[in-house]
Amino acid sequence: EVQLVQSGAEVKKPGESLKISCKGSGYSFTNFWIAWVRQMPGKGLEWMGIIYPGDSDTRYSPSFQGQVTISVDKSISTASLQWSSLEASDTAMYYCARLSSSWYSDYWGQGTPVTVSS
Amino acid sequence: EIVLTQSPGTLSLSPGERATLSCRASQSVSSTYLAWYQQKPGQAPRLLIYGASSRATGIPDRFSGSGSGTDFTLIISRLEPEDFAVYYCQQHGSSPLTFGQGTKLEIK
Repeated sequence: EVQLVQSGAEVKKPGESLKISCKGSGYSFTNFWIAWVRQMPGKGLEWMGIIYPGDSDTRYSPSFQGQVTISVDKSISTASLQWSSLEASDTAMYYCARLSSSWYSDYWGQGTPVTVSS
Repeated sequence: EIVLTQSPGTLSLSPGERATLSCRASQSVSSTYLAWYQQKPGQAPRLLIYGASSRATGIPDRFSGSGSGTDFTLIISRLEPEDFAVYYCQQHGSSPLTFGQGTKLEIK
């Protein structure tokens, strides 16, 4: 069974750093792209970027380029999303998703809520 | 970047009725790479349709997708109580893989 299990809820202060994770299981982790998607409170889905665990090829949405870093550790089948300096506007639910060979998201993680508040 | 515009923003219907949701792209979507997702409150999105018209595994046949180029449609032929949710389209043909803003399907 394909599963993406994300790390737990985070509460941070502005200016702090953060790294959240997404662990894949039940499939060949290195052969499928992983996407990160933001959903701000009461808002829609925003595609942030993708990474290919096989060779760490990474693509970012222009809106998120330079704002976050997507990485992967294929030895532990885990993709990560990190911030060096959080802002209140980073408060959102963050989902990871596996991309099929045609790049639609066929499996989703449960989401990681991030709250940034002073 | 391909911009997707969904309409209507909110659709109010009753169980048993037919729902028609629209997704229009700012430029042609390559190879009909258009997907639809359903999201219920407090849940992750769920894949319904990919490649414009192919149903994902386990999706009931009351859900159907159609379209090509810049105009796509999701039809729910006969609404069940569990179908009231928010629906998003996404083009999966080229990076960045953009989403539409969503259509909320609510009970009338």
